[in-house]
Amino acid sequence: QLQLQESGPGLVKPSETLSLTCTVSGGSISNSIYYWGWFRQPPGKGLEWIGSIHYSGITSYNSSLKSRVTLSIDTSKNQFSLKLTSVTAADTAVFYCARLPVSNYKVDYWGLGTLVTVSS
Amino acid sequence: QSALTQPRSVSGSPGQSVTISCTGTSSDVGGFNYVSWYQQHPGKAPKLMISDVSERPSGVPDRFSGSKSGNTASLTISGLQAEDEADYYCCSYAGTYTPYVFGTGTKVTVL
Repeated sequence: QLQLQESGPGLVKPSETLSLTCTVSGGSISNSIYYWGWFRQPPGKGLEWIGSIHYSGITSYNSSLKSRVTLSIDTSKNQFSLKLTSVTAADTAVFYCARLPVSNYKVDYWGLGTLVTVSS
Repeated sequence: QSALTQPRSVSGSPGQSVTISCTGTSSDVGGFNYVSWYQQHPGKAPKLMISDVSERPSGVPDRFSGSKSGNTASLTISGLQAEDEADYYCCSYAGTYTPYVFGTGTKVTVL
């Protein structure tokens, strides 16, 4: 059974960089038929796609966040990571990592999510 | 890219059917057959309920069904059960640079 687990600081100061890692178990991150992605959900609000990455290194970012987001992937550790720079309180959210089949733009596996609060 | 429009809430008694609409444009819902639906219980991660407009993943009860007409997709829950009370989000492909656009979310209440 595939499992995804987010990890990283739960508190980040304004203007600093948010960094999260997703560890994948029960399957290989190098499987070419999947992208791996990040989503976020501010408290009490809806879901937003942040970006996606393929094991080959191909990336795709939400245009509203593109200038501040970088995704990377480490196939040796079966992990992928998110960096979001210059954070503000508006970036406070539960962040989810997920598996994204290449063929049909669904999200078939989600991590449990991790709350990141931006506050001084 | 704007969020897809869903009703804020719908409700029904156990055993009844409820339908949640998801309205977009010809650039997203109406232009592609890549609409998915997610169930989210409080404090939990979303769960895929429907993909490709009407495909039900293994393990999802057949009480859940999806459809699409024009720029509006719909999720129907038949034979409503207490455990169906949750938030539901639709999601559509909207092009290479916007592969995942979510709806505003609908709270389903079982009376």
